[in-house]
Amino acid sequence: GENVEQHPSTLSVQEGDSAVIKCTYSDSASNYFPWYKQELGKRPQLIIDIRSNVGEKKDQRIAVTLNKTAKHFSLHITETQPEDSAVYFCAASIGNQAGTALIFGKGTTLSVSS
Amino acid sequence: DVKVTQSSRYLVKRTGEKVFLECVQDMDHENMFWYRQDPGLGLRLIYFSYDVKMKEKGDIPEGYSVSREKKERFSLILESASTNQTSMYLCASSRQGPQHFGDGTRLSIL
Repeated sequence: GENVEQHPSTLSVQEGDSAVIKCTYSDSASNYFPWYKQELGKRPQLIIDIRSNVGEKKDQRIAVTLNKTAKHFSLHITETQPEDSAVYFCAASIGNQAGTALIFGKGTTLSVSS
Repeated sequence: DVKVTQSSRYLVKRTGEKVFLECVQDMDHENMFWYRQDPGLGLRLIYFSYDVKMKEKGDIPEGYSVSREKKERFSLILESASTNQTSMYLCASSRQGPQHFGDGTRLSIL
């Protein structure tokens, strides 16, 4: 079945450094790729998403890149802050609609130390 | 703002019991989803629904069933609870965009 691999599983950075999380997916039909941030004890919250007709998207300190040929996409966080510490999940759509079911990666625990 | 409400934050049940987890959304979303979240395994899709009375199996449907009698409500049913179903259960809903999650139900089966 469809699969999403996410790396690394843990990531520790110093405040102000950049952080990069990478994901690969298996379903060629996937065309919607959201990223969620989950703080301890809270619900996952969408931080950014990208659709397959776009190669890159930015929102302030966060950016996502997508390479459909290689079937991988990445999350980039610049100028990290302690409040960026959380678990981050990538996901890929099952099929080609934005509202459809998602397959999630296993998550990356990001720790930002001041 | 989208609100997805799960009926219980914490729930303790015994093995063999039939367990109902309820989820309600207030944004008239067509699509609803149930996931379970376990440490190191991410979010795994149990069942989903794109319309009333419609359901589709996700990656791990064994031991679960669902019910969607009304558009705003999606129920997850553990037919005969077992200890390996102890987990955090998350409900989500969407229309054409991203999924919005509830706060989750931490279910313990003793």
